[in-house]
Amino acid sequence: QKEVEQNSGPLSVPEGAIASLNCTYSDRVSQSFFWYRQYSGKSPELIMSIYSNGDKEDGRFTAQLNKASQYVSLLIRDSQPSDSATYLCAPGTSGRRALTFGSGTRLQVQP
Amino acid sequence: DAGVIQSPRHEVTEMGQEVTLRCKPISGHDYLFWYRQTMMRGLELLIYFNNNVPIDDSGMPEDRFSAKMPNASFSTLKIQPSEPRDSAVYFCASSLSGALNEKLFFGSGTQLSVL
Repeated sequence: QKEVEQNSGPLSVPEGAIASLNCTYSDRVSQSFFWYRQYSGKSPELIMSIYSNGDKEDGRFTAQLNKASQYVSLLIRDSQPSDSATYLCAPGTSGRRALTFGSGTRLQVQP
Repeated sequence: DAGVIQSPRHEVTEMGQEVTLRCKPISGHDYLFWYRQTMMRGLELLIYFNNNVPIDDSGMPEDRFSAKMPNASFSTLKIQPSEPRDSAVYFCASSLSGALNEKLFFGSGTQLSVL
């Protein structure tokens, strides 16, 4: 089993719709969770972090965490063509600074 | 700050040649990471340093790969000899220490092509 699993996509949604990106992880001691966005040909950039069970909202982005199910998701409301990118999930573990990234989900927002 | 600076941006070399990738982390950051990204394997951690000391090099593929961090502002990743399967984008990233301070700042990457 991979440490971090994501559907590679592409996930295609129309402009204005909600995009839902999912991630499961295998390490039960993971305590922090990160979503990075990577545009084609660019480097990853952090867009959301979440540490507690439940939802965390930041603008059009909502991260959802369920540690019991080892599941984290990212919702993008009112999707825009500029949101088209690959979204990488990365759980973090206390005591290990380095992040293990999922393979990413490619999102396409159709105008 | 200029961010994490990597050089070169692109490197094309022939199989068997030595390749050296360079990284300058953000000033004050005490963690430095080398990642490799390919379509097949995604973004893989190769090695990371804390205060210039290698902490985990378990991701280094084989002895052909080596990394150094002689001071807080410079790191190199060397491949000798290079092979076509080493072709990938190599990213350097840095971060600050501290609880809940795990944001990684990535450089622009080096696109390596080994022919």
